[in-house]
Amino acid sequence: EAQVTQNPRYLITVTGKKLTVTCSQNMNHEYMSWYRQDPGLGLRQIYYSMNVEVTDKGDVPEGYKVSRKEKRNFPLILESPSPNQTSLYFCASSPKPGGAYEQYFGPGTRLTVT
Amino acid sequence: KQEVTQIPAALSVPEGENLVLNCSFTDSAIYNLQWFRQDPGKGLTSLLLIQSSQREQTSGRLNASLDKSSGRSTLYIAASQPGDSATYLCAVKAAGNKLTFGGGTRVLVKP
Repeated sequence: EAQVTQNPRYLITVTGKKLTVTCSQNMNHEYMSWYRQDPGLGLRQIYYSMNVEVTDKGDVPEGYKVSRKEKRNFPLILESPSPNQTSLYFCASSPKPGGAYEQYFGPGTRLTVT
Repeated sequence: KQEVTQIPAALSVPEGENLVLNCSFTDSAIYNLQWFRQDPGKGLTSLLLIQSSQREQTSGRLNASLDKSSGRSTLYIAASQPGDSATYLCAVKAAGNKLTFGGGTRVLVKP
């Protein structure tokens, strides 16, 4: 089944403890991105990747890191999480950057930082 | 900077009534517009994708129109059912490959 998967789905952690949220897609998509969703603020893009080893900042990149070493994986790294990073996170992928391609979303990861 | 607005923020209708959801955007230089459904605490399910060159797209009871020049899209859901209760999000894709989302319309279909 073609899909975007994220792990973990739920995570409660403490301030300052490094964590990684994994994202994987099995559709051979070139483009991948991360969003966070917050009440009243909607969905905002954190980082995106046009292809392997090509990443760039979205609207709210502060406090996050990403890497794209393989086409299928795009992990989101929080080096020192803070309570304001408590949010619902979505990974998405698209066949290619640009053009008229649909984006496919993962099921989301709910992160709580205490 | 692209801004996407969805009005109303919430909508309640009796079962069987047609739903009309609105989405407006400020910059008409878009690649496409996508409508999503989100159930509480869940991910986003893509409903319809309209390319910038298209005027409308249909899937079953769903029909979405796009008027790029006026910066508007409308999602119609015919003969609503309680199972249609969810939050509906529109998003536009422009240069830089970023999706810019509206705030969503929360729909409740009452039996």
